Amino acid sequence: AQSVTQLDSQVPVFEEAPVELRCNYSSSVSVYLFWYVQYPNQGLQLLLKYLSGSTLVKGINGFEAEFNKSQTSFHLRKPSVHISDTAEYFCAVISNQGGKLIFGQGTELSVKP
Amino acid sequence: GAGVSQSPRYKVAKRGQDVALRCDPISGHVSLFWYQQALGQGPEFLTYFQNEAQLDKSGLPSDRFFAERPEGSVSTLKIQRTQQEDSAVYLCASSPILGTEAFFGQGTRLTVV
Repeated sequence: AQSVTQLDSQVPVFEEAPVELRCNYSSSVSVYLFWYVQYPNQGLQLLLKYLSGSTLVKGINGFEAEFNKSQTSFHLRKPSVHISDTAEYFCAVISNQGGKLIFGQGTELSVKP
Repeated sequence: GAGVSQSPRYKVAKRGQDVALRCDPISGHVSLFWYQQALGQGPEFLTYFQNEAQLDKSGLPSDRFFAERPEGSVSTLKIQRTQQEDSAVYLCASSPILGTEAFFGQGTRLTVV
């Protein structure tokens, strides 16, 4: 079975500052990793995914994440945030053998002017 | 269709009432997932289908919850004798093949009064 831990429930940051949202996972098998964003009263939208290959993956809206197998982490980063990045961010994992997509509890990113 | 469509968007049910939530996945998508998202929480897995086969229903919280996907496309999540603790947003997602992203609908917000 897999599990996901998002280490910060809330991250306040000023506009144009860098941000990192932390995600650690646990699994006994190889996994695929995802970051999703959820705006108020909306469904989830994929930001980026790691399936294999390069451990640094780039996504939409200037976000990127780095897969670190030894530390079982998949932290999300953006060098300069905008007000419009204010949303809830979810890290998720699925076994590469299939099955259910497991989500973390979410990190609320709040960008202040 | 253009995306995953869920209906209704909002549902208010009296305690003890039965409800049915519908999900229209993206055409041709093999996998379909149902999640329950309580306020301020991450999505919790309920069940998933591969075509018409329900491969995992381990997340269904009680025998009052039932899901079906009889023809491998549209799915219905049914909740019998609703309770207040069933109040949540119910998210549906579909994906074309294993390992690719899951596309989410906007969810159905169920309020049990």
